[in-house]
Amino acid sequence: EADIYQTPRYLVIGTGKKITLECSQTMGHDKMYWYQQDPGMELHLIHYSYGVNSTEKGDLSSESTVSRIRTEHFPLTLESARPSHTSQYLCASSDREGNTEAFFGQGTRLTVV
Amino acid sequence: AQSVTQLDSQVPVFEEAPVELRCNYSSSVSVYLFWYVQYPNQGLQLLLKYLSGSTLVKGINGFEAEFNKSQTSFHLRKPSVHISDTAEYFCAVSRTGFQKLVFGTGTRLLVSP
Repeated sequence: EADIYQTPRYLVIGTGKKITLECSQTMGHDKMYWYQQDPGMELHLIHYSYGVNSTEKGDLSSESTVSRIRTEHFPLTLESARPSHTSQYLCASSDREGNTEAFFGQGTRLTVV
Repeated sequence: AQSVTQLDSQVPVFEEAPVELRCNYSSSVSVYLFWYVQYPNQGLQLLLKYLSGSTLVKGINGFEAEFNKSQTSFHLRKPSVHISDTAEYFCAVSRTGFQKLVFGTGTRLLVSP
């Protein structure tokens, strides 16, 4: 059982609001990731972190930002939500070794109206 | 850069029939290969992975996959499916030593009685 948690699971919010999607893991993993998944589409990496105070943008450009102040916590923030941000956001983590699996949270389904 | 192609967006099959979900990848470097399953409203769960060694990899829930380097394929198979196997299946690739997964667009497996 993977110990990685995302909150909220579902969020409906109005345009222009600031939102933060939470992701926490209790496995002590150094590496954490945010993926964006649209229905019927592949997952796209939007942010990743290889450790505390380390954040990088992923392959898909995103207006969101992330922070990594603690090993276990990797929140994603949208300063001003727009309908184009409507999507599912999946958080994942993996340990230091490069050949092990990534563990995924259950996702946050965001709808911006 | 790596890429993954899952040609079948949807595969309908009857219960207890065999199934094969196709995955082809492209990469100029050695890669690790993964199959993940996503049940409705859930995150991704690892089914199996190929890192090195035997090209036939066995995973959870009776699934297996075969790595074919000459054909750059990593097809997923199960000899007899159950209703509970109905889900979305994602093939993914990562460069060895890294954990930035690149996903395919997914294949929806629909198992009917």
